[in-house]
Amino acid sequence: SQTIHQWPATLVQPVGSPLSLECTVEGTSNPNLYWYRQAAGRGLQLLFYSVGIGQISSEVPQNLSASRPQDRQFILSSKKLLLSDSGFYLCAWGQGVLDSGNTIYFGEGSWLTVV
Amino acid sequence: AQTVTQSQPEMSVQEAETVTLSCTYDTSESNYYLFWYKQPPSRQMILVIRQEAYKQQNATENRFSVNFQKAAKSFSLKISDSQLGDTAMYFCAFMKQASWGKLQFGAGTQVVVTP
Repeated sequence: SQTIHQWPATLVQPVGSPLSLECTVEGTSNPNLYWYRQAAGRGLQLLFYSVGIGQISSEVPQNLSASRPQDRQFILSSKKLLLSDSGFYLCAWGQGVLDSGNTIYFGEGSWLTVV
Repeated sequence: AQTVTQSQPEMSVQEAETVTLSCTYDTSESNYYLFWYKQPPSRQMILVIRQEAYKQQNATENRFSVNFQKAAKSFSLKISDSQLGDTAMYFCAFMKQASWGKLQFGAGTQVVVTP
């Protein structure tokens, strides 16, 4: 069966420090991978998605970047965090096709607090 | 661009009773997919139910069912025989066809089940 893990679960970082959140998927190959952010009391906003190694699409302009160095690994990064980067970050995966309407599965999430 | 609207910020229901959550969406697409996800206090996003727009039959998963009205662009979720474990934030989500699985979420409805 497929599983998705992301870490760390909780992170408190000072303004201006770097960020690295990591996500891995097991039990599938060539998945589509996603990073979502959930601000307090709000829905999820798609930040990045990837349909293959090294292929990253950004949905919103921001202080963050993403990378996919391996087929089942997705990393969310920042060189210098802003207070506005605080939130709950969720990694997700789905079947690697253009249109399947398949379920998107989410990781456990990472709480980021920028102080 | 598609928008997903959940007009009920919070709903309260007693155990064993039924509650209906509303969701409307705005799209010019004819083929798409709709989802309901729940997010309990653990923050894990869990799929509740999904619906393909080309299917007229409403989806059902045990105590969860939807009322899909394509012309009205409405996708409500009914929770029957509510249980304490149903307490969670519920998100309606839209997926356009041929979009690499990208989801557009509503703001969510907090459901509280009371004894």
